[in-house]
Amino acid sequence: NAGVTQTPKFQVLKTGQSMTLQCAQDMNHNSMYWYRQDPGMGLRLIYYSASEGTTDKGEVPNGYNVSRLNKREFSLRLESAAPSQTSVYFCASRFDRYSNQPQHFGDGTRLSIL
Amino acid sequence: AQKVTQAQTEISVVEKEDVTLDCVYETRDTTYYLFWYKQPPSGELVFLIRRNSFDEQNEISGRYSWNFQKSTSSFNFTITASQVVDSAVYFCALSVNTGTASKLTFGTGTRLQVTL
Repeated sequence: NAGVTQTPKFQVLKTGQSMTLQCAQDMNHNSMYWYRQDPGMGLRLIYYSASEGTTDKGEVPNGYNVSRLNKREFSLRLESAAPSQTSVYFCASRFDRYSNQPQHFGDGTRLSIL
Repeated sequence: AQKVTQAQTEISVVEKEDVTLDCVYETRDTTYYLFWYKQPPSGELVFLIRRNSFDEQNEISGRYSWNFQKSTSSFNFTITASQVVDSAVYFCALSVNTGTASKLTFGTGTRLQVTL
């Protein structure tokens, strides 16, 4: 039972490098989300995709782009990484945008920007 | 705007003690959902409970219980007879429908350390 799979699990980048974080879910969920977790800040929403073909900004979208490649996959791209983007990134999915069912989370990607 | 406050940053207890984690939320919506998630040291987020705004019944699941009080906008979580395996960061979250989708607003989390 894979659920939500994130790759990679760890990554170290230099300032200015670009990178794409991958997320895939196998639960036939319509909605997908990207969060970042910083010490003392909880989880903050970066971008979300309420359904295939749509994406919207969350609370902290600056410096990121997303692509909903298909129903299963939702990627997060850092075009020019900055030290302030050092964080743990979580992808999540839910059956649909309004169901208020629990979101299912991946195991996270720990990203360090030097 | 929605807000979730978990005022307790860290709590330390000795095994078998009872412990309550506080959660206070703010929203103008009359329909909303509240969640608790657990994040053990391994880092994944584990869903514990969901409660909607129309259901104020308390819930008990084994050693875990939740007290939802709309009058004080609180959704507190109690662990009875705590165990070392309960050591984790616990997040309270609030979900309301915003037009395009319902989104979760998380509190900053409470780190619980249970020692022998």
